[in-house]
Formats: sequence, C-alpha cells, structure tokens
Amino acid sequence: GEEVAQTPKHLVRGEGQKAKLYCAPIKGHSYVFWYQQVLKNEFKFLISFQNENVFDETGMPKERFSAKCLPNSPCSLEIQATKLEDSAVYFCASSPSPGTGGHEQYFGPGTRLTVT
Amino acid sequence: DAKTTQPNSMESNEEEPVHLPCNHSTISGTDYIHWYRQLPSQGPEYVIHGLTSNVNNRMASLAIAEDRKSSTLILHRATLRDAAVYYCILRDVRGSARQLTFGSGTQLTVLP
Repeated sequence: GEEVAQTPKHLVRGEGQKAKLYCAPIKGHSYVFWYQQVLKNEFKFLISFQNENVFDETGMPKERFSAKCLPNSPCSLEIQATKLEDSAVYFCASSPSPGTGGHEQYFGPGTRLTVT
Repeated sequence: DAKTTQPNSMESNEEEPVHLPCNHSTISGTDYIHWYRQLPSQGPEYVIHGLTSNVNNRMASLAIAEDRKSSTLILHRATLRDAAVYYCILRDVRGSARQLTFGSGTQLTVLP
C-alpha cells in the first residue's frame, strides 16, 4: 500500500498484561522504525529493521519489549507485562533504501496504548 | 546527530506567511536539514529537506543560511490546517537509514 498502516488504533491493557502492536510498511520500503511518543512532543526511538533484520535496537527496553518484521507479515511490537509508564502513542515509520534516494520516513497514524 | 534549537511556539494569522526558525550551530558538512510536522492526533509528516541551497516544494520553502548554522521553514500562506508541531532535524547523509532524532519542535498556532 501507499500508506503505513498501524493496528489497532487504540489498545487498553491492565498492568502486567501483554500488548501487541502491528505495522504494515509501505510496499517496497526496506526500513521500518518504531517510535514511542509519551508526552506531546517527546519522541523516543525504539528499534529499526532493514527488511526482516534488526538494524538498530539501541532504544529498546529489552527486558519487556520485543519486535519482529517477518517476510509477508506485518511487523509487530510486543510488550510483555505492561507497566503504567508504557502508556504512549507508538508510531511506526518506513522508508525506502537510501540508495533509491529515500530520505523521508513515512509515518503511520499510531497506536495509542493505555495501561491501567 | 547535531542538536537543533527551535522556539517553543509561534502564532500566525491565516493566509499570511510564516517563518519558522531553527538554529543548528554544530551542524557538520554531511548533515542534511529536515523538517517534519505533526498535525493533531496524527503521525509526523515529512515537509522538506535540504543540504546547502534553498529548496522549494508544494508544501513549503526551506531557506538555509550561507554558513548553514541556521535555517528557516517558510509557509507562504498559512492555513488553519497548517497548525501543527514543526520539527527541525539534522540527518547525516551517510546515515540516512538511521532513526530520526526529534527535538521538542515549534507549536504553530494559526489564527483565523
């Protein structure tokens, strides 16, 4: 597709429950990025993929967060044992390979996770 | 990535030009200047980018200072739909596959 799709739009979980978020990047884009926006203007990078391989995971809280991008499937971000502080909007973005002139990242509409 | 500094907020009247400034005094020679914006309840959206020369596209213009230590995003005729947070981001051309590093941005309010 021509837009990054994210599901679900909203997700409510009790503290300690698992949350799983999905992202379908734009067809043909090689890179996928996950960001967390906790406060209105504060973005935190979590992880990026080059095709199905992890490219950079320096932002991931590894003890509870995991992510995958498998061929022919939406990418996913999973949070085990959610905490109140995980409440945020999670954005997925994709971009083409740099060699194809791809400077821009294209963002999805986000998934709002509320942990109660 | 080098740091950018932007005003927290700006106001503009509808149908007037808006000049959004960004300082990046520690910019390196391989850093592109990118602008993204985030409309309310949406994901960030690419606006424009440039390296040295001024750039124009259908959304905006980017004016880059000769020493590249500052730049200005220009919206030629602001509309209510342009009310958003505008982010100025530096990206090394050698790392264009890397993540974006967002600052706090400028909240633009457009008054009718």
